[in-house]
Amino acid sequence: DTAVSQTPKYLVTQMGNDKSIKCEQNLGHDTMYWYKQDSKKFLKIMFSYNNKELIINETVPNRFSPKSPDKAHLNLHINSLELGDSAVYFCASSQNSGTGGGEQFFGPGTRLTVL
Amino acid sequence: QKEVEQNSGPLSVPEGAIASLNCTYSDRGSQSFFWYRQYSGKSPELIMSIYSNGDKEDGRFTAQLNKASQYVSLLIRDSQPSDSATYLCAVNIHHKIIFGKGTRLHILP
Repeated sequence: DTAVSQTPKYLVTQMGNDKSIKCEQNLGHDTMYWYKQDSKKFLKIMFSYNNKELIINETVPNRFSPKSPDKAHLNLHINSLELGDSAVYFCASSQNSGTGGGEQFFGPGTRLTVL
Repeated sequence: QKEVEQNSGPLSVPEGAIASLNCTYSDRGSQSFFWYRQYSGKSPELIMSIYSNGDKEDGRFTAQLNKASQYVSLLIRDSQPSDSATYLCAVNIHHKIIFGKGTRLHILP
């Protein structure tokens, strides 16, 4: 069984479009995350939710909006896509958000290409 | 100073030797530290976590933490070609997990 799943795996779209990426975890974890990994492979946190509440909101454009309908799901909606949004987006989850929050399980990633 | 720093490599190590990967961090108050492995085109995978000064061993992997020097390392004994990957150091800084840019490790057969 897949622990953290993301859809779609690949997303190719035109500048200016709106797209969503979905994430689900079946580990029973309380905390979920979105990360962006750019072409230089730098993994940077974007958002974190704990039991459906936003707890980390890094400096990302307002065009990015996370939504957590329940603690097992965290979706990412991106408006007005730009070339610089091209990257791999990873969803992750952990049992808690405190000291042990770094023990994270990652999804397979969504490779977003904006043309 | 960057929050979590790693040498980007590549670090080339002969098969069977010990690979030593290093990481320094900026926040003296950090309490938890993690090593992830990422194969090309795949997602990061947790290898080790360490919370106390000293060594923590798990199979061929040993994590070492020195909070006074703000230094954490990962040793891989009896390196195998399958260990070739990028190793990411992650540190809990102000309740956020900050990743280093990773060290590419290449095990030479």
